[in-house]
Amino acid sequence: AQTVTQSQPEMSVQEAETVTLSCTYDTSESDYYLFWYKQPPSRQMILVIRQEAYKQQNATENRFSVNFQKAAKSFSLKISDSQLGDAAMYFCAYTPGGSQGNLIFGKGTKLSVKP
Amino acid sequence: NAGVTQTPKFRILKIGQSMTLQCTQDMNHNYMYWYRQDPGMGLKLIYYSVGAGITDKGEVPNGYNVSRSTTEDFPLRLELAAPSQTSVYFCASSYRGSNTGELFFGEGSRLTVL
Repeated sequence: AQTVTQSQPEMSVQEAETVTLSCTYDTSESDYYLFWYKQPPSRQMILVIRQEAYKQQNATENRFSVNFQKAAKSFSLKISDSQLGDAAMYFCAYTPGGSQGNLIFGKGTKLSVKP
Repeated sequence: NAGVTQTPKFRILKIGQSMTLQCTQDMNHNYMYWYRQDPGMGLKLIYYSVGAGITDKGEVPNGYNVSRSTTEDFPLRLELAAPSQTSVYFCASSYRGSNTGELFFGEGSRLTVL
């Protein structure tokens, strides 16, 4: 079965510092996609970053970057220069290639940002 | 720019009652999804649709029904509410499917079954 595991229920970071959120996944597929979603207190899920498994280069979106280790099935999110607005639940998600709806989510990591 | 709109935002049901969660998107997206989020858990897919007239089951479809008569609307029906259906429900839409990751979510509907 395909699973996504986030081993850190909660994390805390000082404003302007860097934090890394962990995610591991289990799959036998060779073609798949990985995502990080942010869920602020307003509850609306927002896509942060996306990684295609066939791309070796790690995805980057402004202050957000990933460390994709395909062999280790690891997909961590690094947030640089943390801001108060980064405080939220962060969900790692996986979908196999060709899927139209099967987005599998981890349980999430609650990130707090201290001023 | 409305995006994905869900109604109602909150609802309390008694066991055995029925209700429909409404979802409308104005982005002309082909793909639409219903997820539920239980406390301390990630989202789980209930049903999805790849276009008008086409629906398919997700991971947790039991106790729910959906229809997709138009591109814009994707209502979720609970026929006989049970306490296990207490959850936050999210509707989402996408232009090209979940592979792109560009799912646009509604604000969620919190349902409590007592």
